[in-house]
Amino acid sequence: EVQLVESGGGLVQPGRSLRLSCAASGFTFDNHPMHWVRQAPGKGLEWVSGLGGNSCCIGYADSVKGRFTVSRDNAKNSLYLQMTSLRPEDTALYYCVRDDAFDIWGQGTVVTVSS
Amino acid sequence: QAGLTQPPSVSKDLRQTATLTCAGNTNNVGFRGAAWLQQRQGHPPKLLSYRDNSRPSGVSERFSPSWSGNTASLTITGLQPEDEADYYCLAWDTSHSAWVFGGGTKLNVL
Repeated sequence: EVQLVESGGGLVQPGRSLRLSCAASGFTFDNHPMHWVRQAPGKGLEWVSGLGGNSCCIGYADSVKGRFTVSRDNAKNSLYLQMTSLRPEDTALYYCVRDDAFDIWGQGTVVTVSS
Repeated sequence: QAGLTQPPSVSKDLRQTATLTCAGNTNNVGFRGAAWLQQRQGHPPKLLSYRDNSRPSGVSERFSPSWSGNTASLTITGLQPEDEADYYCLAWDTSHSAWVFGGGTKLNVL
C-alpha cells in the first residue's frame, strides 16, 4: 500500500524551530518529487515547498523562503521540513504529498505556533 | 504569490450538475492547465484529475475536468450526497516558480 506518514508536529513558541518528517512506503521513493502543503485552521491549501527525486529543483513559497528548508533521504525513504523562526501564521496542518501530480497525501501533522 | 480564483461556494440539488471554475492567467492555468482535488471534512485532499485532464484510477466518470484559455473547470454530474466537499484547483506558476492553489469552492448538495 502506498503510504505517507508525517510526524514531528507540536506546540512551539514563536521564533523557535521544529523539524517535520514524512515516512514513505509502498513505492520507489527516489523516483518521485515530493512536496509539503499546509492548511491553516478553517482555511485553504497552501503549497509550502517541494524538491525533485534527487534533491534537485528545490522551491519554496514566498511566505517561508529563508526560514524553512526541505530535504530528503532516499536511503530512508524520508522527506523532511526544517522550520525555523516560526511565526503564529505558520500554525497549520502540514501534509506530505507525492509527486508533481500531488497524487498521494499523508494524514498530516499539526504545528501550532503560540506563546 | 498569485493564487487562482475560485467561487467560495456553489449549491446544487441532488442529481443535478455542478460546474466549478478556476480562473488563472497565462503563467499558470493558461500554461499547462490545472489539477483538481476534493477534500471532505476532516480528511486529506484527494486527487480528482491531473493537469492534462485525465483522471486517476478509481475516480468516478461523473467528474469531468476541462480547460480553456486561462480557466479550468470541473463538471460533476448526477450529484450525490458524498460529493459535498471542498474542491481545490492547483497549477504550476511559471512567473513565480511555485505551485499555486485556488482558494477552494465549497460544494453544497441540497
